[in-house]
Amino acid sequence: QKEVEQNSGPLSVPEGAIASLNCTYSDRGSQSFFWYRQYSGKSPELIMFIYSNGDKEDGRFTAQLNKASQYVSLLIRDSQPSDSATYLCAVNDGSEKLVFGKGTKLTVNP
Amino acid sequence: DTGVSQNPRHKITKRGQNVTFRCDPISEHNRLYWYRQTLGQGPEFLTYFQNEAQLEKSRLLSDRFSAERPKGSFSTLEIQRTEQGDSAMYLCASSYDSLGNTGELFFGEGSRLTVL
Repeated sequence: QKEVEQNSGPLSVPEGAIASLNCTYSDRGSQSFFWYRQYSGKSPELIMFIYSNGDKEDGRFTAQLNKASQYVSLLIRDSQPSDSATYLCAVNDGSEKLVFGKGTKLTVNP
Repeated sequence: DTGVSQNPRHKITKRGQNVTFRCDPISEHNRLYWYRQTLGQGPEFLTYFQNEAQLEKSRLLSDRFSAERPKGSFSTLEIQRTEQGDSAMYLCASSYDSLGNTGELFFGEGSRLTVL
């Protein structure tokens, strides 16, 4: 069974710090990797996707992928209280379905 | 376009009853997905439609679950003879492009089911 593992947290960081969220996956055939943000009581929304090994930056967010280690991470720079949410890692194997992790709850303290 | 719309937003039912949820995707999106999310878990894939064709179905989807997308627009998810274990948030999502081509899933606000 394809699995995506995340530390459930909660992860607590002070405002302005870097938040680091990690994810590992079991299926070596995985092709694309997504980070979704889910506010409490709301639906998930896409933050970033990454396909290739290395880093991908978008504003305050950086996704990092290491396929050899089956590891993907999300860094949030200059964390804001509005970043407080659950962050879901999702993996795609080329089919039309995503396998999600359980999510990491992030709290940014003012 | 107001995004993906789901109805009803909340449904409370007694065990053994049937329930039906409706999803209206973003109008130009031909791909539609159903996921289920329980508390503390990530969404779990249930099924996928491209236009009116149901192309993929999870083993999680027992015979009590059926989904349709008759005209390639809105979709319904029916659960027959509900059980307490069916209590969850049922999320619908749509996409313009294939996930393999960086297609982004746009989720609706979900339909929360509580089975008493």
